[in-house]
Amino acid sequence: ILNVEQSPQSLHVQEGDSTNFTCSFPSSNFYALHWYRWETAKSPEALFVMTLNGDEKKKGRISATLNTKEGYSYLYIKGSQPEDSATYLCALGGGGADGLTFGKGTHLIIQP
Amino acid sequence: DSGVTQTPKHLITATGQRVTLRCSPRSGDLSVYWYQQSLDQGLQFLIQYYNGEERAKGNILERFSAQQFPDLHSELNLSSLELGDSALYFCASSGSWGGNEQFFGPGTRLTVL
Repeated sequence: ILNVEQSPQSLHVQEGDSTNFTCSFPSSNFYALHWYRWETAKSPEALFVMTLNGDEKKKGRISATLNTKEGYSYLYIKGSQPEDSATYLCALGGGGADGLTFGKGTHLIIQP
Repeated sequence: DSGVTQTPKHLITATGQRVTLRCSPRSGDLSVYWYQQSLDQGLQFLIQYYNGEERAKGNILERFSAQQFPDLHSELNLSSLELGDSALYFCASSGSWGGNEQFFGPGTRLTVL
């Protein structure tokens, strides 16, 4: 059973500040790491899929890095805005025919 | 809008009953995944179909079953329902299996009374 851990569980950030949070996973048999944003009353929305050690991906003010050797990924949000308030999920994707194994998420609240 | 549709949006039923949840994947996507989000659990993978065939099973109970039809829509059948089956059920689709991003539907909220 894969164990995907996310920290912190929740985070309050002032509008305009930058923030980051962590996803940890077993480094053996790594295939892919997914980040999702999940806003209340909506469905999870894919942010990034990362497969290579050292990968860095960016979408607007959000970026992510991946270290498969030590088993962690960071998600960064620069200049937080109220619309960034959401739960951010990371998930491990297995090779071949596997569903995603999700962490429990980091619940981010941006305070004006 | 992800392009994945799920019906119904809400479902309220009694213990012991059987329900069917329906999912239509994004146009062109061959893989369909079902996930369960319970109150105290994260998103749990249930089962995956690819082009009509079962590809992978996760934490799916024996009381639950699924299938994918030739038009690629999928149905999740939940039978002998228990109070603990109350959850949000998501369907997701992707263009292939493993490694690609999955696009999630709006979910079906099941309440078992």
